[in-house]
Amino acid sequence: EAEVAQSPRYKITEKSQAVAFWCDPISGHATLYWYRQILGQGPELLVQFQDESVVDDSQLPKDRFSAERLKGVDSTLKIQPAELGDSAMYLCASSLSSAGVYEQYFGPGTRLTVT
Amino acid sequence: GNSVTQMEGPVTLSEEAFLTINCTYTATGYPSLFWYVQYPGEGLQLLLKATKADDKGSNKGFEATYRKETTSFHLEKGSVQVSDSAVYFCALIPNDYKLSFGAGTTVTVRA
Repeated sequence: EAEVAQSPRYKITEKSQAVAFWCDPISGHATLYWYRQILGQGPELLVQFQDESVVDDSQLPKDRFSAERLKGVDSTLKIQPAELGDSAMYLCASSLSSAGVYEQYFGPGTRLTVT
Repeated sequence: GNSVTQMEGPVTLSEEAFLTINCTYTATGYPSLFWYVQYPGEGLQLLLKATKADDKGSNKGFEATYRKETTSFHLEKGSVQVSDSAVYFCALIPNDYKLSFGAGTTVTVRA
């Protein structure tokens, strides 16, 4: 069964350093999502792509976070500089489309610890 | 705005016990409702869904019924197993198609 791949699974970094996460969605899925899940809370959407275009980044802290999906396939989420409050699980998900109620398939996540 | 409120955990049960996790929602229009499950060390998996009032979603022995009159989507399982230990998230997709999650309920089943 096709899965969403994410790497790394775990990342420890010092504050003020740069960190990047990678996501490879299920083949053929046009929509890709990045979520942040703080311990004890539900995931919150950071950014949504439709193909290579950003369709929603209203909750992305743009002063330090950036995301790209250059060829409309895999995606990278970057944080620079990392802050202590960025410690969380970063989840990637994909779906066939965003124009309707389509199931989102989630990857295993990257757990970030900022020290 | 759109929001999901679910029962706070953690919930600890013995094997074969009955499980209920309450979930209520606030949304404009007629949202689709979901339960996701997150097993230890894994990503979220869709457990079940319901797209209109009175629909019942079911999977792996779990059930939830979309109750528009009470804006609820409570999750139930008649006899839990140790393997059901996980975090359960109630979620909705309203008219803008943005998935919103509740805070999650941690369930631990003891042998």
